[in-house]
Amino acid sequence: DQQVKQNSPSLSVQEGRISILNCDYTNSMFDYFLWYKKYPAEGPTFLISISSIKDKNEDGRFTVFLNKSAKHLSLHIVPSQPGDSAVYFCAASVNNAGNMLTFGGGTRLMVKP
Amino acid sequence: DARVTQTPRHKVTEMGQEVTMRCQPILGHNTVFWYRQTMMQGLELLAYFRNRAPLDDSGMPKDRFSAEMPDATLATLKIQPSEPRDSAVYFCASGPPASTDTQYFGPGTRLTVL
Repeated sequence: DQQVKQNSPSLSVQEGRISILNCDYTNSMFDYFLWYKKYPAEGPTFLISISSIKDKNEDGRFTVFLNKSAKHLSLHIVPSQPGDSAVYFCAASVNNAGNMLTFGGGTRLMVKP
Repeated sequence: DARVTQTPRHKVTEMGQEVTMRCQPILGHNTVFWYRQTMMQGLELLAYFRNRAPLDDSGMPKDRFSAEMPDATLATLKIQPSEPRDSAVYFCASGPPASTDTQYFGPGTRLTVL
């Protein structure tokens, strides 16, 4: 039973437009959420996070939105750039669980020039 | 620039052989994680250590996989005997003393079992 799901395995977007990546979770105990980005032949790198006490966190072109009632979060990238092409993983944790994360299956984003 | 290092980066072996993957966590980090990435399953957690003690290895096939931390600078993941279905990329990640849930990943070991 996957507790964190990314239902879109891939997404294609034109450069300059907005990319929206979605993530759903089932465990209501999750209270911290992260997005990781992964390029081929590299390990995932941390991108942005949000605590459950917030509904939005912004860092430059990246914004994460959290809807606790729907158990849904999304990552917005605007404007999208070709260098954003990568696999994006959503992850969730329970506070004080000692860094343990549950990952989604990933969404491959392709930004076309 | 502190990084998690993993060796080897690539490993090709034959079914039945023993495989050992190594990870050096970032100095000062006290949590270490082993993940496996497959096309179907995304990132699966295999094992988790805190202060070198194993806390969770429920995701690991116990009959053939073993994970250890001989010291604070080395974590190992061993498969014996290896099988073709073990072919995947294995990532190690480390995390600082629990003030954050951010994990820092190594570049991975790509394992191919023929």
